[in-house]
Amino acid sequence: DTGVSQNPRHKITKRGQNVTFRCDPISEHNRLYWYRQTLGQGPEFLTYFQNEAQLEKSRLLSDRFSAERPKGSFSTLEIQRTEQGDSAMYLCASSVYRGLYQETQYFGPGTRLLVL
Amino acid sequence: AQTVTQSQPEMSVQEAETVTLSCTYDTSENNYYLFWYKQPPSRQMILVIRQEAYKQQNATENRFSVNFQKAAKSFSLKISDSQLGDTAMYFCAFMKPFTSGTYKYIFGTGTRLKVLA
Repeated sequence: DTGVSQNPRHKITKRGQNVTFRCDPISEHNRLYWYRQTLGQGPEFLTYFQNEAQLEKSRLLSDRFSAERPKGSFSTLEIQRTEQGDSAMYLCASSVYRGLYQETQYFGPGTRLLVL
Repeated sequence: AQTVTQSQPEMSVQEAETVTLSCTYDTSENNYYLFWYKQPPSRQMILVIRQEAYKQQNATENRFSVNFQKAAKSFSLKISDSQLGDTAMYFCAFMKPFTSGTYKYIFGTGTRLKVLA
């Protein structure tokens, strides 16, 4: 089964350092999403790619955050100059368009980030 | 703005019993989808069930069923014959369309369900 995979699963970093996470979507899925989930909360949307184009970005995505999907396959999410408030689970999801409202997102296991 | 509210932070149920998790949402849209996702401890989110707003019939997936009340904007999840493996955080989600033609989910804060042996 080739579900959504994310690496690393856990990351501990010091404040001010840069971190990069990777997401590999389900192979035939052309849509890819990043979410952030803090403790005790549901996931919050960060950004969306259709193929290699980044079409939507949340206001949660500050200038320190950048996401790419260079070849329309895997995606990376980079956080520069990390802050303690960035500590969270970062979830990736993918989907494929099957018609109006015919979409289900499949989630990866997430990358848990702890900023010390 | 759309919001999703899960008013039960934690619930417990005895194995083999039935439990209902509540969810209400707020939207001005007429066509949308609603979902229940399950997130077991330290594991990824799994789709449990989805409901199309234009369908009056409640969705059912094996032991999982929903009670969708569109006028009341209520979307509860019923788990029958609860099993220990149902222990997880359950998230209700509303699917909102973007103008770009895709969708994002708006999640509730979750209900932590514990099934007791």
